[in-house]
Amino acid sequence: EVQLLESGGGLVQPGGSLRLSCAASGFTFSNYAMSWVRQAPGKGLEWVSVIRDSGSSTYYADSVKGRFTISRDNSKNTLYLQMNSLRADDTAVYFCAKGGTHTYSWLDYWGQGTLVTVSS
Amino acid sequence: QLVLTQSPSASASLGASVKVTCTLSSGHSNYAIAWHQQQPEKGPRYLMKVNSDGSHTKGDGIPDRFSGSSSGAERYLTISSLQSEDEADYYCQTWGTGIVVFGGGTKLTVL
Repeated sequence: EVQLLESGGGLVQPGGSLRLSCAASGFTFSNYAMSWVRQAPGKGLEWVSVIRDSGSSTYYADSVKGRFTISRDNSKNTLYLQMNSLRADDTAVYFCAKGGTHTYSWLDYWGQGTLVTVSS
Repeated sequence: QLVLTQSPSASASLGASVKVTCTLSSGHSNYAIAWHQQQPEKGPRYLMKVNSDGSHTKGDGIPDRFSGSSSGAERYLTISSLQSEDEADYYCQTWGTGIVVFGGGTKLTVL
């Protein structure tokens, strides 16, 4: 059974940093691209970042480019999102999602999400 | 620019059928999409991938009541024999090199 478990969310002040983790199990993690997707309160889904299976390629939404960094440790079956220079509009539930292939594709499994609140 | 457009809301009666539409932007009519369901206070759940030829591949455990189809730049999600638990937000999603795109979502109300 595929499981994705996010952690690391919480309350942080504007300008602060936070690192999210996503522990994966139930599939060969190193064979699939992974994404982070967020959802602000009462809003729709917004793609944040994607990383290929090997970690060799990463892409970001314009709203987070230069502030967020996606990475993965295939030996630990874990996906990360380092978030710096956080702003109030980064407040959202952050989901990790498994890609359907080794590269950019549909998302076929989701975690339950972790809440990030940026506020003073 | 790769954009997905969805109607904000839809409604249908218990036991009836409903078709939710997702429209690909100009020049992208051959793209496949995925449908995701988000029930209230829950994380999203992958329903199926729909190809430009209308073929679709469903996720694990998705009931036969859910099906997908295509016509030109439009991709459809049809839910038959509507149940109360189908009341949810439905999002379409597509992708390109280094980009993932979501539609704005359709809120389905089961009357």
